[in-house]
Formats: sequence, structure tokens, C-alpha cells
Amino acid sequence: SYELTQAPSVSVSPGQTARITCSGDALPKKYAYWYQQKSGQAPVLVIYEDTKRPSGIPERFSGSTSGTMATLTISGAQVEDEADYYCWSTDSGGNHGAFGGGTTLTVL
Amino acid sequence: EVHLVESGGGLVQPGGSLRLSCAASGFTFSSFEMNWVRQAPGKGLEWVAYINRDGSKMNYADSVRGRFTISRDNAENSLYLQMNSLRPEDTAFYYCARDPGGQQLAFDYWGQGTLVTVSS
Repeated sequence: SYELTQAPSVSVSPGQTARITCSGDALPKKYAYWYQQKSGQAPVLVIYEDTKRPSGIPERFSGSTSGTMATLTISGAQVEDEADYYCWSTDSGGNHGAFGGGTTLTVL
Repeated sequence: EVHLVESGGGLVQPGGSLRLSCAASGFTFSSFEMNWVRQAPGKGLEWVAYINRDGSKMNYADSVRGRFTISRDNAENSLYLQMNSLRPEDTAFYYCARDPGGQQLAFDYWGQGTLVTVSS
């Protein structure tokens, strides 16, 4: 089965830049998607197709990729950005997908 | 506005069955592929099942294949998940999630989830 790897936690002070990474062998060929999940709530899409931001998502959220790693960057992180963040992608054949294990972002 | 509302969760004994429903509104349901994704309490997300637009193609995670069946009723704007031979490890919040229809399986809108607890 396909696997995506994320660091368990990231911590920044308000106003700093938070970077959350996701590594997977097929990421050079397949898009990464990023989801934000606040405590007790359903996930929300914050980045799709590596770099695109859905309407309503603040501009401080951006995505990038390099080789087998995708990165979610939150520029000027705010306290309300505290959440779990999950990446999602599929293997090169497109038949098996996986979420990363999730990264808990703490902003304090 | 896209709206997805799951129902049908509850407490069930190991080996039992449960049918989840997802009512969709705010978009043309028949034009989108759909999925079920689950999350055990305090754990990460796990994709469970996929169905194409007309219900002719399905795919499942290895962990549920042969026990769960995804289906849809486009006339009723509804998605279903029939869960049989339930195990304690199936305990989770179950979310229905719309596929945006890009080049690969993905999810853009999610429901609020329904909790399934498998316990004796």
C-alpha cells in the first residue's frame, strides 16, 4: 500500500511561517492535496493540485512541491490556524491513495 | 452551497451490520464521484470507498473490501455505505466526501460525519 510521511508536530509563534511537509514516492507524478482539521470538526480542503487555493481560504496558505516532497506553508501563522493538517495523494498508478499521518500545528 | 449530511451511525455489536446514508445538496449530485472516509477517535484519516458518477464502478480499501458496499441513488441525491461483518477496528467517524473530478482521486467537500461504534 502507498504511504505518505508527515512529521507529527510543528510549533511556531504567531506571525511566524509554518512549514508542514509530506513525502511520498509518487509525488513527482501525482498531485498533493492538503486538509485542515480543527478539533471536533470535519476536514477542510486548503490546497489542491499541489499549489491551488480554494476560494475562501486565506492567502497565507500556500503549497509547493519539490521532488518527492510536498510542502504546505502558512505565512504569518495565526492562533486560529492551530489544527491537524493532512496531506493526500495517490500512487503512480492512481489506484491506491493515502493520507499522511497528520501534523499537529501549534501556534503559541 | 455544497452540503453533505451523514446519518445512520450508532452502536453495533461485532459481526453486525449498519447502513450509512449521506444526503447531498447544493450541487448536481449525479455529476460527481463520491467517497467515504473514516477516522478512528484520536487517529488519522483513512479512505474507505469510492463510487463513480453512475454507480457502475466502485473501489475499496483493503481493510473493508468484501465487507462494505458503497452505492448511490442519483434520483435521491444520496450516497450509501452498507457495512457488514463489523469489527471493533471499524469504530470511527465516517465522512462522505465529494470528489472534485480532477486527474486523481481526491476530496473537496466533506460532511460533518457520523460515528459508528462497534462494541459488545
